Amino acid sequence: EAEVAQSPRYKITEKSQAVAFWCDPISGHATLYWYRQILGQGPELLVQFQDESVVDDSQLPKDRFSAERLKGVDSTLKIQPAELGDSAMYLCASSLEAGMNTEAFFGQGTRLTVV
Amino acid sequence: AQSVTQLGSHVSVSEGALVLLRCNYSSSVPPYLFWYVQYPNQGLQLLLKYTSAATLVKGINGFEAEFKKSETSFHLTKPSAHMSDAAEYFCAVSGSFNKFYFGSGTKLNVKP
Repeated sequence: EAEVAQSPRYKITEKSQAVAFWCDPISGHATLYWYRQILGQGPELLVQFQDESVVDDSQLPKDRFSAERLKGVDSTLKIQPAELGDSAMYLCASSLEAGMNTEAFFGQGTRLTVV
Repeated sequence: AQSVTQLGSHVSVSEGALVLLRCNYSSSVPPYLFWYVQYPNQGLQLLLKYTSAATLVKGINGFEAEFKKSETSFHLTKPSAHMSDAAEYFCAVSGSFNKFYFGSGTKLNVKP
């Protein structure tokens, strides 16, 4: 069964350091999402791609976060510099297309701890 | 604008008892609604989705949900809880460009 791949699963970093997460969506899925989930809360969308284009990054803290999906396939989310408040689960998801009835498939997530 | 509200951040039931997790939505367009389950340190797994084909939707693991437009609700139920159902459950609505809006989640505890 096809899955969304994310790495690493866990990451511990010191504040002010740079950190990067990688996501490989299900093959053929045009839409890719990055979500942040703070402990005890629901996922919050950071950025959404349609192929290689950004559809929505309104909640992405652009002074420290960046995301790219250069060839419209895999994607990288970067934080520089990391802050203590960035500790959270970072979830990548993909969906077949931008239609309103297509569910999102999630990866296992990356648990980030900033110390 | 779309949003969902999940009533009750924690629900506790006995094994074999009915599970009822509540979700109310707000949507300016006909909604597409989803329930996801999340186990500790895992991603989200789709339980079921409402596609407007039928108001009663059956999902995996014996869960089902009923869409009630008049009540703007999409509550999740399971007739008999199992220990393996203990997890966190999220209701979501999708809007323009398939952007998903998630509720704050309900943690289900199943007592033996």
